[in-house]
Amino acid sequence: DTGVSQDPRHKITKRGQNVTFRCDPISEHNRLYWYRQTLGQGPEFLTYFQNEAQLEKSRLLSDRFSAERPKGSFSTLEIQRTEQGDSAMYLCASIARDNTGELFFGEGSRLTVL
Amino acid sequence: AQKVTQAQTEISVVEKEDVTLDCVYETRDTTYYLFWYKQPPSGELVFLIRRNSFDEQNEISGRYSWNFQKSTSSFNFTITASQVVDSAVYFCALSVLLTGGGNKLTFGTGTQLKVEL
Repeated sequence: DTGVSQDPRHKITKRGQNVTFRCDPISEHNRLYWYRQTLGQGPEFLTYFQNEAQLEKSRLLSDRFSAERPKGSFSTLEIQRTEQGDSAMYLCASIARDNTGELFFGEGSRLTVL
Repeated sequence: AQKVTQAQTEISVVEKEDVTLDCVYETRDTTYYLFWYKQPPSGELVFLIRRNSFDEQNEISGRYSWNFQKSTSSFNFTITASQVVDSAVYFCALSVLLTGGGNKLTFGTGTQLKVEL
């Protein structure tokens, strides 16, 4: 399968714990995005990488959130000291170098914070 | 600021009926892209169409058609002869440029379409 893959698909954690999600984009896609989707809402932009450089972050991304893309391939999104409000689906998307915005999304990582 | 409004939260139709999903957007940019994505129960967003702001020509792809009207800032999506497999949440989105040339999609809240036998 050559699509965007995310791991884990589901994560249940207790409040205060740290969690990390991984995204493997489509091979050779140099741009990678993280979005967050809560129940009944559309996805909201969190952050964006071009290769290994994190070029933009949303105000939604508090200091408890950190994202990396160390070698310009896979990316990780870590949430420290999770809160119940962090419960959501975290979506990763990638795109080859163009300006059209046609993103290829993964199936998402669903986080439940108890 | 960009905004996308999908006023229809949920639509239920009987198979073979036609259905139109509404999308109204707001932006001050003169160059932008509009999108429709489908999100089936599995959760993965599936790209359906992209339209740039300079191309108001309507498009048809099989049972799907899109009506872009810049004068009313609308980008409506019609499914002809709906099928049960069309049941999903449909999102309209607006794209704006980011630093470095990337794009940020602003999504609407989605329309849940249920097609019943």
